Parts: sequence; structure tokens; C-alpha cells
Amino acid sequence: GAGVSQSPSNKVTEKGKDVELRCDPISGHTALYWYRQSLGQGLEFLIYFQGNSAPDKSGLPSDRFSAERTGGSVSTLTIQRTQQEDSAVYLCASSLAAPTGRLAGGNTRNEQFFGPGTRLTVL
Amino acid sequence: AQKITQTQPGMFVQEKEAVTLDCTYDTSDPSYGLFWYKQPSSGEMIFLIYQGSYDQQNATEGRYSLNFQKARKSANLVISASQLGDSAMYFCAMREGGSGYSTLTFGKGTMLLVSP
Repeated sequence: GAGVSQSPSNKVTEKGKDVELRCDPISGHTALYWYRQSLGQGLEFLIYFQGNSAPDKSGLPSDRFSAERTGGSVSTLTIQRTQQEDSAVYLCASSLAAPTGRLAGGNTRNEQFFGPGTRLTVL
Repeated sequence: AQKITQTQPGMFVQEKEAVTLDCTYDTSDPSYGLFWYKQPSSGEMIFLIYQGSYDQQNATEGRYSLNFQKARKSANLVISASQLGDSAMYFCAMREGGSGYSTLTFGKGTMLLVSP
């Protein structure tokens, strides 16, 4: 079956322009996550969706970043007025419904499946 | 404090040998899950293995096993019989149950190079 897909695979833009990054999760996965990976670094959490709602936006680095998800499927991450420090690989992941409750983390594998990422370069 | 610490920026191993990649974690939540992901040069994150905090036995998935020492808060990945295709970045990650959802916190990764 199809995995998580992301588009575009590469995006080069000029400082100050807006960009939109798209994520198409695995069919049936209600949870969707955006991460950012700067060169040689680990993954930094940006935002999480459960269905169309975003219970946690705490990782968004500034108000220039926003994301939406429609129809419980495709998600778009928008970066307005891009800056050079926004250059990174943006990774999207999806999973089955997120486990809830205090025991969930230690009892439920529910791994995240990642897309190939979008490499954003801001000149 | 870092929630996930991977102290080895790079590791070298010869083909067919075993290698251990270190991971220590920090949480006060009794319910958590630990994950290892592999990221080859193509960039995609590939899930390898999971260990739940309540699991009594160490997890194994084929050539991968997890040396889980709960009291020491370590979750080292062991790759047996290394192959050239194992050359990649390896990330340890944790999901804490008390958060109510399953965002992962990642370590900075270890680059593994397997030589012939």
C-alpha cells in the first residue's frame, strides 16, 4: 500500500516569500505530525493533528508558521515571509489514532510512518 | 535537560560484526515508549524497533534487539551481523504516556558506517 507522501520533494525560495508544503498520510491514519530536521540535527516537533484538530501547536517556531488539515487526510504546512533559518528538511509522519491515557505510552507501539520529506532552501 | 541523549556522534563497524548504539533517556512518567529509527542517505525515517516501559522482556526484531535497562534509563540498540546496508543515521526517540498523545522526542542521532 501507499506510504506517506510529501510534495514538493525540493523547494528553493527567496527570503520573504511564502511556501506551502503538502503531506498525504497513509489511508486510515488519523494522527499526523510535522517535524523539522536541520542539517546534521535530530528531528524537532512542530505540530500534531488528530483528525482535523491540532491539539498541540507548541512546536511551531513563530507565528509565520501555520498548518491545517482538511477531511482528516491531507495536511499543508505554510511558512510565511520565509527566512534563511527556515532552511531544513520538513518531515511529515502519520499513525493510527494516537493512544490516550496515562498508560498509553508504555503499552502501545503505534509507530509513526514517515514521508520522504521536503527539503526547503531559503536563499 | 535533554530527554534523549545519544553520546556517540559516529560509530564504525566491520561487516558481520555486532554493534551497540547507545541511548539514555530522562522521564518521570512511568508510562513511555522507546523507538529506534534508521535514516539512510535517502532521508526517509524507517522504524526499527519499539520497547514499552511495561514490557518485561527486551524487544527483538530480526537482527535488531534493544538492551533495555530501566533502572539506568538506557535503551541501547544492538545490531547483530552488520551489513553494508546498515550504514545510516540512527535515532532514538521517546513517547511519554502522560502527554495523552504520541509525539516523539528524538535524540541527535548516531552515524553508523559499516566497512567491508
